[in-house]
Amino acid sequence: EVQLVESGGGLVQPGGSLRLSCAASGFTFSSYWMHWVRQAPGKGLVWVSHINTDESIRNYADSVRGRFTISRDNAKNTLYLQMNSLRAEDTAVYYCARVGAQCSSTGCYLYLQHWGQGTRVTVSS
Amino acid sequence: DIVMTQSPDSLAVSLGERATINCKSSQSVLYNSNKKNYLAWYQQKPGQPPKLLTYWASTRESGVPDRFTGSGSGTDFTLTITSLQTEDVAVYYCQQYYETPFTFGQGTKLEI
Repeated sequence: EVQLVESGGGLVQPGGSLRLSCAASGFTFSSYWMHWVRQAPGKGLVWVSHINTDESIRNYADSVRGRFTISRDNAKNTLYLQMNSLRAEDTAVYYCARVGAQCSSTGCYLYLQHWGQGTRVTVSS
Repeated sequence: DIVMTQSPDSLAVSLGERATINCKSSQSVLYNSNKKNYLAWYQQKPGQPPKLLTYWASTRESGVPDRFTGSGSGTDFTLTITSLQTEDVAVYYCQQYYETPFTFGQGTKLEI
């Protein structure tokens, strides 16, 4: 069974940093592109970032580019999101998600088949 | 960026009746070389993560009841839920995965 478990959320002051983790199990983690999606309180889903299998391709939403960094450790079956220079508008539940099938390392345009339960990030003074 | 617009924002339907949710993309998400529409529908219940319902616009995910049907092509898509059940109360989102950023619609809240 595919399992994705996020951790690392919490309360942080504006301008601060936080690193989220997503522990994966039940599948060959190193073979799948992975995504982060966030959801502000009472709002809709917003795609944040994705990463290919060997970290050579990483894309970001404009709202986080230059502040957030996605990475992965295939030996530890873990996806990360390093969040720096946090703003109040980054307050959200952050979900990691796995695509629906294995893709080429150069491009992956697929739906998000498996989601974690999310970790809450609150940016406030 | 491709803008995804859902309608209506909220919908109240009686038990056993049909619900129809629309999604329109600001540009086509049909990839001509493989004739696939890069469009997915998700269901999100309160306090839960999203759940994939359909992908490639009309392929139902394994385990999803057949009362959920996705349709459409190009820029106009529909999620139809027939014979509405109480457990279908949720927010529904469409998403394009044709290009980054992989944008979502604003969501449609379905109530009984």
